[in-house]
Amino acid sequence: AQKVTQAQTEISVVEKEDVTLDCVYETRDTTYYLFWYKQPPSGELVFLIRRNSFDEQNEISGRYSWNFQKSTSSFNFTITASQVVDSAVYFCALSEAGTGFQKLVFGTGTRLLVSP
Amino acid sequence: ETGVTQTPRHLVMGMTNKKSLKCEQHLGHNAMYWYKQSAKKPLELMFVYNFKEQTENNSVPSRFSPECPNSSHLFLHLHTLQPEDSALYLCASSQVQGHEQYFGPGTRLTVT
Repeated sequence: AQKVTQAQTEISVVEKEDVTLDCVYETRDTTYYLFWYKQPPSGELVFLIRRNSFDEQNEISGRYSWNFQKSTSSFNFTITASQVVDSAVYFCALSEAGTGFQKLVFGTGTRLLVSP
Repeated sequence: ETGVTQTPRHLVMGMTNKKSLKCEQHLGHNAMYWYKQSAKKPLELMFVYNFKEQTENNSVPSRFSPECPNSSHLFLHLHTLQPEDSALYLCASSQVQGHEQYFGPGTRLTVT
C-alpha cells in the first residue's frame, strides 16, 4: 500500500537558517510521482514540484532544492536562507501508476515556523 | 492565483441543513477533485471526476453528494452532516494522468 511519512511535525528556525524537510514514501509501484506542496495560513495548497520515479536528478529552484533518493525512498526538501514568508505547512505526496496517477496520498505535513 | 476558486470560503451549518460547496477552475483542466482536510489528519481524497464522469469515490458517506456538470465546475452537496464532518474542504483540478493538481483556497465548514 502507498504511504507517505513526514516524521517532523513542526520545525522552528530563525531567518537565514537552512532547513530540510524530510519525506519518506512507500509504494509497490515502479512508476510513480512525488510532489511537494506548501500550505500557507490562507489554506490554499501551492504546488512546488513534481518528480517522477525515473528521474533521480536533484533539482534546485532559487532557494528551494529537492533530493530524491530511491535507495532510501526519500524525497527531501531543503530551503536555503529561510525567510519569514516560508512559514507554512509543507506536504509531501505520492501518486502511483496503479491508480492512474490521480490518487494523491499525502503525508501529515511539517509545519515550518521562521522567525525574524 | 492558482486559477481554482471556491465558494463560500466559510460555512456554518446545522445538522439538518442542506448546503452546497462550489468549485470553479479556469485552467482548462479536465479532471477535478474534492479533498477533506481535518485537524491532525492527512488530506483525504473524496472524489475524482474525469471529463465530468466520476471515477473515484473513496468510501465517502452518502451525505456528501458530488456533482460535475462540466469540466470547469464541481459541486459538493451536503445534507444531514455530523459534527465530525467539520473540516476544510479543498477542490483541485489537473490534466488527467499524473499531472500536478492545483488547489483552491478551500471552504472551512463547521457543523453545529
